[in-house]
Amino acid sequence: NAGVTQTPKFQVLKTGQSMTLQCAQDMNHNSMYWYRQDPGMGLRLIYYSASEGTTDKGEVPNGYNVSRLNKREFSLRLESAAPSQTSVYFCASSEMGLAGIQFFGPGTRLTVL
Amino acid sequence: AQKITQTQPGMFVQEKEAVTLDCTYDTSDPSYGLFWYKQPSSGEMIFLIYQGSYDQQNATEGRYSLNFQKARKSANLVISASQLGDSAMYFCAMREGPANNLFFGTGTRLTVIP
Repeated sequence: NAGVTQTPKFQVLKTGQSMTLQCAQDMNHNSMYWYRQDPGMGLRLIYYSASEGTTDKGEVPNGYNVSRLNKREFSLRLESAAPSQTSVYFCASSEMGLAGIQFFGPGTRLTVL
Repeated sequence: AQKITQTQPGMFVQEKEAVTLDCTYDTSDPSYGLFWYKQPSSGEMIFLIYQGSYDQQNATEGRYSLNFQKARKSANLVISASQLGDSAMYFCAMREGPANNLFFGTGTRLTVIP
């Protein structure tokens, strides 16, 4: 089992360019999440999908869109990248519920020039 | 107010000694979960241990234990018999009630000294 996979691992964009970060999980989890991690800070939730067919905003959703393509895949799109979106992006998945432990992908390091 | 507070930016511990990493949380929801994650220099987030607000006993996972003091709203991580491979960033996180998102602290960088 690969767990949670993310592509790409690294990306450099120019301001105004668009891109999609891909995430897939093979643990048959219902819920999936996108976080960003900035230097000196913990992770902050961008968007999540509690189950296939649903998506909801997290703490920092501005400038992002998401698509829950199927149960396995959850993508994050930056329509017009800005330098403030330079960050490390993590995808995670979990079962629902209070004890639903979130398992994380390896992260994507994005730089916007 | 911060939901999760980690007041120790950095900690040092001698190899084979025990170390406690502090975490306090803020919630008015009676139902919540507390988590600890490890982030080594390679960058991945590794789940270590979970404690539910209704759990009567402190959680333990191998060398990791969670010192849960509900009245003080603290959930400190105790690592026993530290190893060089324990050197990493450690994040405390909380989930409130039925919400899906985790709130993370700013982390503690642990360095294990040979």
